[in-house]
Amino acid sequence: EADIYQTPRYLVIGTGKKITLECSQTMGHDKMYWYQQDPGMELHLIHYSYGVNSTEKGDLSSESTVSRIRTEHFPLTLESARPSHTSQYLCASSPRRGQGSPLHFGNGTRLTVT
Amino acid sequence: DQQVKQNSPSLSVQEGRISILNCDYTNSMFDYFLWYKKYPAEGPTFLISISSIKDKNEDGRFTVFLNKSAKHLSLHIVPSQPGDSAVYFCAASARNTGNQFYFGTGTSLTVIP
Repeated sequence: EADIYQTPRYLVIGTGKKITLECSQTMGHDKMYWYQQDPGMELHLIHYSYGVNSTEKGDLSSESTVSRIRTEHFPLTLESARPSHTSQYLCASSPRRGQGSPLHFGNGTRLTVT
Repeated sequence: DQQVKQNSPSLSVQEGRISILNCDYTNSMFDYFLWYKKYPAEGPTFLISISSIKDKNEDGRFTVFLNKSAKHLSLHIVPSQPGDSAVYFCAASARNTGNQFYFGTGTSLTVIP
């Protein structure tokens, strides 16, 4: 059962286009995350949020931006897509109650920039 | 610098036998460890976790073992089933990293019927 939703599932877009990857969760979780993953590689944290109006950059440098205006919604935007942005983007959430809570992932968006 | 490592990219096991997936970490401050399972075209699904105060946690066919002195954890699946064929990621977090999770590169498990 998917309590965290990502759209679109697949996206092919040309260089220079602006794109927004959507992520919504219905669990009321305070913490939300964006990870980037290439085949055979680990998941890299690119953005996270601990609540409304809170956003932080992760360990992996990214040209994307995020916003957290509502608890349930955590969109990721690329102002000008490039082929180097081709990857899988995974959104996740977890409750605030400290450590000991696993991340819940969406099904991901596979982005291809031509 | 990768803090969580899974050195075996793939593993094949006969149905009914034990699958053992391994994970090593370098940060001694990690105190919470998880295993995720991922099917193609889906997001990772949480499987089992263990905190550093334990050395073993069991859930049905899945058992995770933690060896803090060796900075090593393993996932045992007994008996293995064809539906277990997936990529398995281990992850770790620590309070001093703001509870951010660090992931390994994954091990692709194939269970042969």
